[in-house]
Amino acid sequence: GQQLNQSPQSMFIQEGEDVSMNCTSSSIFNTWLWYKQDPGEGPVLLIALYKAGELTSNGRLTAQFGITRKDSFLNISASIPSDVGIYFCAGQPDHYGGATNKLIFGTGTLLAVQP
Amino acid sequence: DGGITQSPKYLFRKEGQNVTLSCEQNLNHDAMYWYRQDPGQGLRLIYYSQIVNDFQKGDIAEGYSVSREKKESFPLTVTSAQKNPTAFYLCASSIIGGMNEQFFGPGTRLTVL
Repeated sequence: GQQLNQSPQSMFIQEGEDVSMNCTSSSIFNTWLWYKQDPGEGPVLLIALYKAGELTSNGRLTAQFGITRKDSFLNISASIPSDVGIYFCAGQPDHYGGATNKLIFGTGTLLAVQP
Repeated sequence: DGGITQSPKYLFRKEGQNVTLSCEQNLNHDAMYWYRQDPGQGLRLIYYSQIVNDFQKGDIAEGYSVSREKKESFPLTVTSAQKNPTAFYLCASSIIGGMNEQFFGPGTRLTVL
């Protein structure tokens, strides 16, 4: 099955630094979602995007739905140790036509924050 | 509290045995999903169901079976035909139509010895 290209695969940063990660697809998407997964737990939804160009914030997190509808970006400002985890993008290709709520997931970005 | 529960959290089975993973939700969601996650990889869809008594194969359905007899429940059976069953299994649910947001349970880690 198709998986989204997510980069970087991993990031090791110092507390207080800003973080950026992105997700790209070869086809047009109508939805972009960003999840965070703590070790041994299920993913938790952070931000949902439904319109091209949409910019949405959730605390220190900001995500954007790319204008081309083929990509999305997640930024974390002033990182703290509890930001550690795996961040996944997910989306729904436009050609699904709204007949299903199936999603395609990215391969994840592992974030490590050193205090 | 509304949410999705999966049980057990950890499961050990001998090779060749079938095992059933539980998933229950009280969010009144119509759709439910099962994913498999392997180390360093994303989530791969095993099966999904959009309505009671109906379900569809995902990308990696071979060696798995499901049932959807109640809206709240979507159990997954890992059969002996699954060649490499050791993995982290995640259940999710969503509404149908409108927003595409899926909400996940805490997962079950299955280890086949």
